[in-house]
Amino acid sequence: EIVLTQSPGTLSLSPGEGATLSCRASQSVSSNYLAWYQQKPGQAPRLLIYGASRRATGIPDRFSGSGSGTDFTLTISRLEPEDFAVYYCQQYVGSPSWTFGQGTKVEIK
Amino acid sequence: QVQPVQSGAEVKKPGASVKVSCKASGRTFANYYMHWVRQAPGQGLEWMGIINPSGDGTSYAQKFQDRVTITRDTSTSTVYMEMSSLRSEDTAVYYCARMQSGAFDIWGQGTKVTVSS
Repeated sequence: EIVLTQSPGTLSLSPGEGATLSCRASQSVSSNYLAWYQQKPGQAPRLLIYGASRRATGIPDRFSGSGSGTDFTLTISRLEPEDFAVYYCQQYVGSPSWTFGQGTKVEIK
Repeated sequence: QVQPVQSGAEVKKPGASVKVSCKASGRTFANYYMHWVRQAPGQGLEWMGIINPSGDGTSYAQKFQDRVTITRDTSTSTVYMEMSSLRSEDTAVYYCARMQSGAFDIWGQGTKVTVSS
C-alpha cells in the first residue's frame, strides 16, 4: 500500500513570503498522476497542479509543482491572503485506487 | 466549468442507508470517470470509489467494498453513491468529482451526512 506523507503539518508564514510543501510517497510513483489541491474551510477542494507540474486552468503562476519518484513539492512563490488554506497531495496507486496525503495547513503568522 | 450539484444534507440513524446524488450539466460530464471522496469532520480527504462514463464499471476502496455502491444514470447525467449499514464514523461530507488527466478537476459542493441515534 502506497502512503503519501506531507510535511510540515502546519506552515506559519506571512503574506508575501514563499511556501514550500512536501509530499513523500512510500514507494516510487508515476509523476503523471501526482496532483495537488487547495481546500478552504467549508469549500470543496480545488485542483491546483496535476501531472506533478502542470497548473490547472485558472491557477496563478505563483503556484508551481515539481518532483519525481518519491519526492514531490508544491511551491507558492509569494503568499497572497487567499492562499492560506489546507493543501493536499494525491496519487493514483493502481487497482484502480487513489490516495491522498494527510494535508498541510498554511496559516497566517 | 459548471460545478455538479449534489443532493442536500442527510441525517440517518446507525444501521440505515443513504443515497447521495450528483447531477452534472449535460455533456460536461458525459464522457468522464466520476469519483466519490469523503471528509470526516476536521479530517483529510478519503477516496471511496470510481465509476466509468457508461456506468457499467466501478471500483471501490477496499474499506468500502462491502457497503458502498456507485451508480450512474446517463439519461439524467446523475451519479449516485449509496452507503449501507451506516455507523457514526460515516459522519462526513461526501463529494463527487470529475476526473480529467488523472486528477479531480471539478468537484461537487459536498453533501453532509450525519449518522446519529
